[in-house]
Amino acid sequence: GENVEQHPSTLSVQEGDSAVIKCTYSDSASNYFPWYKQELGKGPQLIIDIRSNVGEKKDQRIAVTLNKTAKHFSLHITETQPEDSAVYFCAASRRALTFGSGTRLQVQP
Amino acid sequence: NAGVTQTPKFQVLKTGQSMTLQCAQDMNHNSMYWYRQDPGMGLRLIYYSASEGTTDKGEVPNGYNVSRLNKREFSLRLESAAPSQTSVYFCASSEQTSWPSNYEQYFGPGTRLTVT
Repeated sequence: GENVEQHPSTLSVQEGDSAVIKCTYSDSASNYFPWYKQELGKGPQLIIDIRSNVGEKKDQRIAVTLNKTAKHFSLHITETQPEDSAVYFCAASRRALTFGSGTRLQVQP
Repeated sequence: NAGVTQTPKFQVLKTGQSMTLQCAQDMNHNSMYWYRQDPGMGLRLIYYSASEGTTDKGEVPNGYNVSRLNKREFSLRLESAAPSQTSVYFCASSEQTSWPSNYEQYFGPGTRLTVT
């Protein structure tokens, strides 16, 4: 089945800096790649997603890039703010969603 | 709209006890899911239901049963709880009507279960 690896497991940045989280997947047939944000004590919430026919997608300060040849995709957050502090999960889907192990992002004021 | 609601929020069980986790959604979604979240392992799919009366096994179904009572409600039952089932359980729903799973999933707040 699908295997998704996510790095780093923790990331600390200063407010205003950029943050990058990277994921690799194993199943070349996967065609949907969402990113979820989970705040403490809450369920995950979709922040952005990308499909295999698109190489990059941007939504305000958040962008995702996809390299299907290398089977990896990344989340980029620019101008980070303290409210961006959370755990971020990538996922890949050919059938069911397979999630990465998560990245705890801490934005220092 | 409440979105996806789960009860209870917290539960402590002794090994061998049984319990049912309840989930309901008010978004008229077709698909519902149960996941478990363990430290350092992301979320893993336990069961999935594409419509009332249908269920499919996910990655980690052993030790669990599910019931899709109607379009709104999807319950998860532990018949004989084991310490390995200590986890946070999330219910989710989406507009998806069949595989692949490429629609946004909306998650509930979770149930934290401890089995001693």
